[in-house]
Amino acid sequence: GNSVTQMEGPVTLSEEAFLTINCTYTATGYPSLFWYVQYPGEGLQLLLKATKADDKGSNKGFEATYRKETTSFHLEKGSVQVSDSAVYFCALSGRGSNYKLTFGKGTLLTVNP
Amino acid sequence: DAGVTQSPTHLIKTRGQQVTLRCSPISGHKSVSWYQQVLGQGPQFIFQYYEKEERGRGNFPDRFSARQFPNYSSELNVNALLLGDSALYLCASSSETVYSNQPQHFGDGTRLSIL
Repeated sequence: GNSVTQMEGPVTLSEEAFLTINCTYTATGYPSLFWYVQYPGEGLQLLLKATKADDKGSNKGFEATYRKETTSFHLEKGSVQVSDSAVYFCALSGRGSNYKLTFGKGTLLTVNP
Repeated sequence: DAGVTQSPTHLIKTRGQQVTLRCSPISGHKSVSWYQQVLGQGPQFIFQYYEKEERGRGNFPDRFSARQFPNYSSELNVNALLLGDSALYLCASSSETVYSNQPQHFGDGTRLSIL
C-alpha cells in the first residue's frame, strides 16, 4: 500500500535560517504529492502540490520538487520566519478512483527570533 | 467564500456513548472525506464520499459510519465510543470529478474527548 515517511522532528531554527524537511514515499503508479501545514488549534492548510514527476510546487517561499527517481518530495525554504512555526505534513494521493490522502507523521517546526 | 465548516468544535463524551459530527463542504464541492488525527500523528483516512456514494473506506471498525446528503454535507457517526477514539476529526472537501484529482481543503476539525 501507499506510505509516506518524513523526517522526525522537532526542528528548531533561528529566523532567516534555511529549512529542509525530508519526505519520501512508496506508492503504485504516479501519485500526486502535497505538503500541508497545521498551525496550533487549526485544521490543515494546503501549502503546495505537484502532480507529476519533475514538477515543482511553490507557495509563500516554500518549494518542493517531485523526484520520481528517488521517490522524494523534500520541502525547502530559503529564509524561515517566526510565523512559519507549525507542523508540516507530507502527503500523497493515488490516481484513478482512490483519491484518499496518505499522510506522514508530521514534523514540528519552531522558529526562534 | 466560506471554507469547510465543521460542528461542533469540541465534544466530550463517555465510553459507550454515540456521537455525530457534521461537515459542510465548500460550495460546489461534491467530494467529502473524513480523517482521524490522534495527537502527535498524521491524519488517518476514514471515509470518502462522492456524489452521495461511498467511494472509499479506511481501516476503521464498523462502529464508524458516515453518509452524505443531497446538499453534499456529511455526517460521521461513531457508536460505542472507546477511549482510543479521542482525536481530532477532520473533514475535507474537493472539487474533483471522477476524472481529475483536485486538492482537498480541510476544516478546523472537531476535537472529540472520551472520558
